[in-house]
Amino acid sequence: TQLLEQSPQFLSIQEGENLTVYCNSSSVFSSLQWYRQEPGEGPVLLVTVVTGGEVKKLKRLTFQFGDARKDSSLHITAAQPGDTGLYLCAGLRSNDYKLSFGAGTTVTVRA
Amino acid sequence: EPEVTQTPSHQVTQMGQEVILRCVPISNHLYFYWYRQILGQKVEFLVSFYNNEISEKSEIFDDQFSVERPDGSNFTLKIRSTKLEDSAMYFCASSRQGLYEQYFGPGTRLTVT
Repeated sequence: TQLLEQSPQFLSIQEGENLTVYCNSSSVFSSLQWYRQEPGEGPVLLVTVVTGGEVKKLKRLTFQFGDARKDSSLHITAAQPGDTGLYLCAGLRSNDYKLSFGAGTTVTVRA
Repeated sequence: EPEVTQTPSHQVTQMGQEVILRCVPISNHLYFYWYRQILGQKVEFLVSFYNNEISEKSEIFDDQFSVERPDGSNFTLKIRSTKLEDSAMYFCASSRQGLYEQYFGPGTRLTVT
């Protein structure tokens, strides 16, 4: 059983369209982190959300943490080809220090 | 901007050999971690390290694995007798505190033949 379920697994859209990636769990997390990973490289931290209901914006990317701190979403507005990549969510529970990763969503933005 | 560095970027070894993967965490961080990612699979936790001792380890981190902070800057992962299934990307990460965001290095690709 996966602790964090990401959906969809793959997403292919046209430049200028919007997209949303979901990260869901039955567990409560003290914080949830979103990373972007390029092939053959390490995950690069995009944002951390810690408060239930929190919304954070990073240019055209909007991250939301669910009220119950069990789920999160990443929304990209007016996607560009440079947004192409693998997006990972990872959660920290209050009783341990290890990040539990989702399987990732591969986003492809076509020019 | 400070970053986690890892060496080597790629290591090829024969089954049964020992390998040491090296990491330099961000300088003011206190918690250190190793994760691995088998090709096509998700990132998996191996071990966390704080105050010169292991604070948590996964089932993957058996007696073949060990970690060490030999000096004030390096953090190493040793695999004593590598197996084919140890082939993966190994990522080092560090965080300022235990429940803070973790920053990852670029990874070492380990290939066991």
